[in-house]
Amino acid sequence: GAVVSQHPSRVICKSGTSVKIECRSLDFQATTMFWYRQFPKQSLMLMATSNEGSKATYEQGVEKDKFLINHASLTLSTLTVTSAHPEDSSFYICSAHSGGAGMYEQYFGPGTRLTVT
Amino acid sequence: QKEVEQDPGPLSVPEGAIVSLNCTYSNSAFQYFMWYRQYSRKGPELLMYTYSSGNKEDGRFTAQVDKSSKYISLFIRDSQPSDSATYLCAMSARGDYKLSFGAGTTVTVRA
Repeated sequence: GAVVSQHPSRVICKSGTSVKIECRSLDFQATTMFWYRQFPKQSLMLMATSNEGSKATYEQGVEKDKFLINHASLTLSTLTVTSAHPEDSSFYICSAHSGGAGMYEQYFGPGTRLTVT
Repeated sequence: QKEVEQDPGPLSVPEGAIVSLNCTYSNSAFQYFMWYRQYSRKGPELLMYTYSSGNKEDGRFTAQVDKSSKYISLFIRDSQPSDSATYLCAMSARGDYKLSFGAGTTVTVRA
């Protein structure tokens, strides 16, 4: 149980284009999903928190207009990197939280490697 | 000072040895503690989740929490080459579902 998928697993795009990454909880309903970014040999950096049906909450320094997050259902959240530039190249990982009482653990997707050329 | 401190290693042990990992934290509000394993270019995998002081065992893994010292540990018994990965500690406070992560410790188990 507690499986989270991400699609695509890797994507290469040209500078100036937009890329959409999907995060799905496969066997549970996720009231909250999180989006992280990870640079090589570094820990995870939280970008934003999304709750189903409401606007995402972005961490300080993360551009809302550049990283669009939609959490339209209890099993799907999407991250769209708009007008991507080479500095947006990174490993993006989502996680999902079931929201059960006293349950604070998050389950992570396999990650999406974005390369902007 | 970071909220969660974790020695990044690297840590190299022979197969069959006990791997000992630990994290310290400064925020006394943290009540929920997790250990994740992350293989290269993959998402983190939840290994252990605890919220009480004391030990919790699951197979070859033992998680230890000492809230009075703000110190958590993960022990891996009979380590295998397949345990070679980066181990991340993570924690959160009651009512706050965001996780605070340690830097991660890179472990290599030599065959």
